[in-house]
This record gives sequence, C-alpha cells and structure tokens, in this order.
Amino acid sequence: GQQLNQSPQSMFIQEGEDVSMNCTSSSIFNTWLWYKQDPGEGPVLLIALYKAGELTSNGRLTAQFGITRKDSFLNISASIPSDVGIYFCAGPGPSRGSGGSNYKLTFGKGTLLTVNP
Amino acid sequence: NAGVTQTPKFRVLKTGQSMTLLCAQDMNHEYMYWYRQDPGMGLRLIHYSVGEGTTAKGEVPDGYNVSRLKKQNFLLGLESAAPSQTSVYFCASSYSWAEQYFGPGTRLTVT
Repeated sequence: GQQLNQSPQSMFIQEGEDVSMNCTSSSIFNTWLWYKQDPGEGPVLLIALYKAGELTSNGRLTAQFGITRKDSFLNISASIPSDVGIYFCAGPGPSRGSGGSNYKLTFGKGTLLTVNP
Repeated sequence: NAGVTQTPKFRVLKTGQSMTLLCAQDMNHEYMYWYRQDPGMGLRLIHYSVGEGTTAKGEVPDGYNVSRLKKQNFLLGLESAAPSQTSVYFCASSYSWAEQYFGPGTRLTVT
C-alpha cells in the first residue's frame, strides 16, 4: 500500500519563529490535506489542496501541493503557543481511480510541534 | 450544528466484554469512517461507509464490526474486547471522500 512520510517527526521552536514541515508519498496523489490535532482532541482540517503547484493560505498557515504530486509542504509563520499540536498530512490515494481506495485517506504519522513562549 | 459527536468519551472494559461506540453527524454527509489512533502509529482506518446501509473494511478491521442503519449514525462494535484494542477511537464524516471532519474521540482501555 501507499505510504506517507512526514518530516520532521518533532520540532521544538521559540514563539515567533517560522515552521516548515513536509510530507512525501510513494504514489502520486491528486489531493493533499493538512490536519492539526490538539492534545486530547480530534484532528481538525486546516488546508485542502487539489491541484499540482497550488499554494493555499489559511491565516498564518501556507501549504503547497508539490509539482511532482508526490509531496506537500506546510509552513507556519510567526508561531504562537496555541500552534502546539500534531500536524498530519493526508491523501486519498493514487491519481487513477482504483475503486474503493478513493474513499479512504492515508495519513502520515504526524509532526509534533512544541512552541516555547 | 454539532458536527461529529461520539459517545462515550471514555470507557474501561475487561477482556472479553463487548461494547458499542456511537458516532453521529448532523451535516448530512454520505461518508463515515472509524479510525483508531495509537502512539507512533498515526491514524488507521478500521471500517468505513459510503452511504446508509453500506459498510466496508479498512486497514485494521479484525475484532470490530460496524453498522450504518441511519445516514447520520455509524456504530462501531467490539464483540469480545482484547487489551490490543486499547486505543483512542475517532469517527469522521465527509461530503466527498476527501475532506473528512473528525469527532472528539473515545478513549478505550481494555484490562
């Protein structure tokens, strides 16, 4: 099956710093999603990307759909303490339909972000 | 608009006991999903449903059963709980297959 590799696994930064994380796939994806999970909560959708090369922002967050369609990047600018959490990338499968696999998301193992005030 | 809700929030079971986790969504979504989350393993899909009356197996379906009798509800059952099923369980729903919205989770401990 397909795998998503997220890096780094964890980050410790100071408040105000910018953050970059990425996700790579063994397969071509036609959609990339970025989620954030606060401690003790369920994941929350941050950004959805649908087109190779697409750059989308949501406040201080910016995500890009890699041109190769096998990677995506998430940047957080001017981090604040509430940015703490686990960030997951996810994708729904290969670009060619394969029946049921299009109904499912594959998740990366997450990047744990800690922000020191 | 409550989104996706899950009950119960916490549960402790003894090995061999059974239980049902309930997921409800008020967004009229066709697709619903059950995941488990374990340290270092990320989110793994247990079962999913693409519409009322349909269910399908995900990545780790063994030991679980599901039912989708009503569009807004998706039930996850454990017939005979095992310690390996200690985990945090998340339900999600989506209008299309891509953008899934998650519930707050159920923390299950099997002793």
